[in-house]
Amino acid sequence: AQKITQTQPGMFVQEKEAVTLDCTYDTSDPSYGLFWYKQPSSGEMIFLIYQGSYDQQNATEGRYSLNFQKARKSANLVISASQLGDSAMYFCAMWGDYGQNFVFGPGTRLSVLP
Amino acid sequence: DTEVTQTPKHLVMGMTNKKSLKCEQHMGHRAMYWYKQKAKKPPELMFVYSYEKLSINESVPSRFSPECPNSSLLNLHLHALQPEDSALYLCASSQRPGARGAQYFGPGTRLLVL
Repeated sequence: AQKITQTQPGMFVQEKEAVTLDCTYDTSDPSYGLFWYKQPSSGEMIFLIYQGSYDQQNATEGRYSLNFQKARKSANLVISASQLGDSAMYFCAMWGDYGQNFVFGPGTRLSVLP
Repeated sequence: DTEVTQTPKHLVMGMTNKKSLKCEQHMGHRAMYWYKQKAKKPPELMFVYSYEKLSINESVPSRFSPECPNSSLLNLHLHALQPEDSALYLCASSQRPGARGAQYFGPGTRLLVL
């Protein structure tokens, strides 16, 4: 069975500073994808970044980067230059090609302080 | 354009009512998904449609009945729901099912069952 762990229920960061949100995963699938989503209080899930299990380089999308360490089964999200609008719940998720299931972690609530 | 639309935004229904949730995307995606999200919890996958055919049903009770009339539309028919079914119902789509593409979510329907 696939499992995602996010050990930080809540995080605080000062505006303009960088922050790392942790994600570890467990799967027996050799091929899988890892995703990060942002969910503001309005409820909509916003796709941030994707990393494939066979991708050699870490994914980056603007201020978001994914620190992928396959041997450690970790896929941490790094947000650079935090903004007040980054305050939200952040979910790490995984889709395994063989398990055919999309699993979310419990989430980390990020609060950006002015 | 990465827009997925959902109607209605809010729905209140009694346990004997029949109602439907609607989801639409015009991105040419061939996979569509229904999720259920309770407060302060991550989304849980309910159904996956792949090329307009139901490919995954995560042991969802029969009072939830999905339908995919065409590649752009996804419905969720609700009948004889229970108060514990009150939740945010999210629809998503991706280019194809599996680990190599992001899912794009709609804003959700907040359902209250009385």
